[in-house]
Amino acid sequence: SQTIHQWPATLVQPVGSPLSLECTVEGTSNPNLYWYRQAAGRGLQLLFYSVGIGQISSEVPQNLSASRPQDRQFILSSKKLLLSDSGFYLCAWKDGRGGELFFGEGSRLTVL
Amino acid sequence: GNSVTQMEGPVTLSEEAFLTINCTYTATGYPSLFWYVQYPGEGLQLLLKATKADDKGSNKGFEATYRKETTSFHLEKGSVQVSDSAVYFCARPDTGRRALTFGSGTRLQVQP
Repeated sequence: SQTIHQWPATLVQPVGSPLSLECTVEGTSNPNLYWYRQAAGRGLQLLFYSVGIGQISSEVPQNLSASRPQDRQFILSSKKLLLSDSGFYLCAWKDGRGGELFFGEGSRLTVL
Repeated sequence: GNSVTQMEGPVTLSEEAFLTINCTYTATGYPSLFWYVQYPGEGLQLLLKATKADDKGSNKGFEATYRKETTSFHLEKGSVQVSDSAVYFCARPDTGRRALTFGSGTRLQVQP
């Protein structure tokens, strides 16, 4: 069966520090991968998606970047965090057959 | 673009009450429709889905019927439990069908 994991689960970082959130999927190959952000009390905003290794589409220009160095690995990064980067970050995957997304456990980022 | 509109919460109910959470979508074709649930501190889980008009998705006592006449996919449950307290998101494929567009979420609070 397929599983998805993301880490760290929680992170408290000072303004201006770098960020790296990692997500891996197991049990499937060539999935579409996604990063969403959920700000406090709000809905989900699509940040990035990837249909293959090295292929990244950015939905919202901002302080973040994404990379896909391997087929089942998706990384969200920032060189310098802003206060507004605080939120709950969710990684998700989708295979080529179904339309639904499957989400990881989420990573809560607090920027102070 | 494609969008989803949900009723605002929070919705507060007593245990065993009937639940309806409204969801409407923009009518571009006949997209698959989804309901996701998010328990506190966790990622999103797929609750149910419907892939064509008049389909009824169901799971864990929840139901939703894909109604093209009213472009709606309302979530219902006949008798809610305290354990159903969570945030519920309605979703549909976005333009290009690469990712999902989510509604703003509806928080459900069930009191004993």
